[in-house]
Amino acid sequence: DAGVIQSPRHEVTEMGQEVTLRCKPISGHDYLFWYRQTMMRGLELLIYFNNNVPIDDSGMPEDRFSAKMPNASFSTLKIQPSEPRDSAVYFCASTPRQGVIYGYTFGSGTRLTVV
Amino acid sequence: LAKTTQPISMDSYEGQEVNITCSHNNIATNDYITWYQQFPSQGPRFIIQGYKTKVTNEVASLFIPADRKSSTLSLPRVSLSDTAVYYCLVGDLPLNTGFQKLVFGTGTRLLVSP
Repeated sequence: DAGVIQSPRHEVTEMGQEVTLRCKPISGHDYLFWYRQTMMRGLELLIYFNNNVPIDDSGMPEDRFSAKMPNASFSTLKIQPSEPRDSAVYFCASTPRQGVIYGYTFGSGTRLTVV
Repeated sequence: LAKTTQPISMDSYEGQEVNITCSHNNIATNDYITWYQQFPSQGPRFIIQGYKTKVTNEVASLFIPADRKSSTLSLPRVSLSDTAVYYCLVGDLPLNTGFQKLVFGTGTRLLVSP
């Protein structure tokens, strides 16, 4: 298995532009997570899906952020409009079933820079 | 999830054994202890998990005392490539109580020098 695949690896955009981050989870994993990592706040959970359905989006910072999972093999995180404070590394992770004990597999992340 | 406390940073030299202790005083009966490793520019990676006593794999050992209020991740003979942030997390397989989200603390930043 190729693991969790994220694209792009790096994204530089201007303030006000729309940004879309993409994630392909591991096949057969029922749960998908989006995290954001910054020096100041560490790793923050933004939203997670179970069987393509958003379960908890309480970590999404603002209405400018939205996430979708149209099928079991693809998810997007969109920021519209983007702002400089959105600059961070965004990680996608997946796990096969409930419980911390099953472990999460993370992608390599997308480093977003908003100028 | 039970709250965890770890040192913010640690320094070591190549070839030494490194022990990182995590405190989790309010750990619940069903909770497991899990450690993740994160290299620069990569996502966290699961390295080891345990419930009690000792667990060992090809990467590390995990020591858990009888009261389970703390745990120690042991990295034998570290190398430069072990420089990373190490996260301790505590949580369980939910028993019809809903999904437990993986919440990361600040972790321990380990720097291994030549």
